[in-house]
Amino acid sequence: SQQGEEDPQALSIQEGENATMNCSYKTSINNLQWYRQNSGRGLVHLILIRSNEREKHSGRLRVTLDTSKKSSSLLITASRAADTASYFCATDGSNYQLIWGAGTKLIIKP
Amino acid sequence: GAGVSQSPSNKVTEKGKDVELRCDPISGHTALYWYRQSLGQGLEFLIYFQGNSAPDKSGLPSDRFSAERTGGSVSTLTIQRTQQEDSAVYLCASSVTKSGNTIYFGEGSWLTVV
Repeated sequence: SQQGEEDPQALSIQEGENATMNCSYKTSINNLQWYRQNSGRGLVHLILIRSNEREKHSGRLRVTLDTSKKSSSLLITASRAADTASYFCATDGSNYQLIWGAGTKLIIKP
Repeated sequence: GAGVSQSPSNKVTEKGKDVELRCDPISGHTALYWYRQSLGQGLEFLIYFQGNSAPDKSGLPSDRFSAERTGGSVSTLTIQRTQQEDSAVYLCASSVTKSGNTIYFGEGSWLTVV
């Protein structure tokens, strides 16, 4: 069964607005990662946050992690048309597997 | 190479034919993953290779699917007697070691079975 679940499944906002996506998971983790996928091709790593971290920034990206609620959020500030993509969270499972959510499809309207 | 390379990028095959998909991971990466992604869906784990250890094949959906990794580098995913439900993007990824590291994806191989 799927560990990570993103919500919303789809999000459409105006360019310049902030976009927030959430990820929930079920079991204890060592770290959580966010990836972006354009047009159904390869995923690109965005950011990794470890279980002992609560917040991490990378450019216009801000990720938070609440291990007590088993949830994470990805905030994209000042969105651009190029941010249109699907966003996935992944948590480390037993040994080696990353467990993936179904993704949030983000559409930035110009 | 600089990134994970997959070939072919697109493949259209007739139902019942066999197909081979190739993945060339980043040099020095010992871990290699194959995933499948149907249109609009999340990633479905297929198989994992780590160094010289026996691969984890627990995600392979049927015995028509098999994969090899020769010399700890290039991997080939083979689908025998393809079915229409096999149509998907097949994504290969590699990482330095096991989970906890960033994994790097190839651009995928789009398989369409007609």
